[in-house]
Amino acid sequence: AQTVTQSQPEMSVQEAETVTLSCTYDTSESDYYLFWYKQPPSRQMILVIRQEAYKQQNATENRFSVNFQKAAKSFSLKISDSQLGDAAMYFCAYRSKGTDKLIFGTGTRLQVFP
Amino acid sequence: DAGITQSPRHKVTETGTPVTLRCHQTENHRYMYWYRQDPGHGLRLIHYSYGVKDTDKGEVSDGYSVSRSKTEDFLLTLESATSSQTSVYFCAISEAHREFMSGYTFGSGTRLTVV
Repeated sequence: AQTVTQSQPEMSVQEAETVTLSCTYDTSESDYYLFWYKQPPSRQMILVIRQEAYKQQNATENRFSVNFQKAAKSFSLKISDSQLGDAAMYFCAYRSKGTDKLIFGTGTRLQVFP
Repeated sequence: DAGITQSPRHKVTETGTPVTLRCHQTENHRYMYWYRQDPGHGLRLIHYSYGVKDTDKGEVSDGYSVSRSKTEDFLLTLESATSSQTSVYFCAISEAHREFMSGYTFGSGTRLTVV
């Protein structure tokens, strides 16, 4: 069974700085999808960025980018120019092509200091 | 623009009572899911549905049942609530063509407290 590990329960960053959140996963599959979700205090789950495993190029969405290392089974999220509104819980998630179920990591709580 | 709504948003119930949480979608998505969120565990899948009257168990299904009699509604029932079921419950929907890369759209969650 696939698993997703987020080893950093909490992270902090100063406004305008860059922070990287770690995610590793375990799978025997070669084709799958990876996601980062943001959960602010409102509790809403917001899709931040997604990556297709067969694409070499790292996904980017504005200030958010990923470092996808397929061989290492690593999928880290980089937030550049951090803003106060980035403070949230961030979840890494895995989705196999063979199933529609999302498997989540335990989350990383990000604090942003002015 | 809420294509998916959950009700209630908050609920406090007593141990041993039945509880039903409702998820309603207006997107006509085939696939629907119930997750629970607990500190240190992330989100864990309780049950899911691939269509009307087509449901299956997830990894933490004990003590829960679901029903889907219409495409738009997916109900989660706690037959006899226990304190271990105190959690935040999320419903999600997916466009879900198996070859289509999509994440889920989530509801806003239900915070359930069992006392």
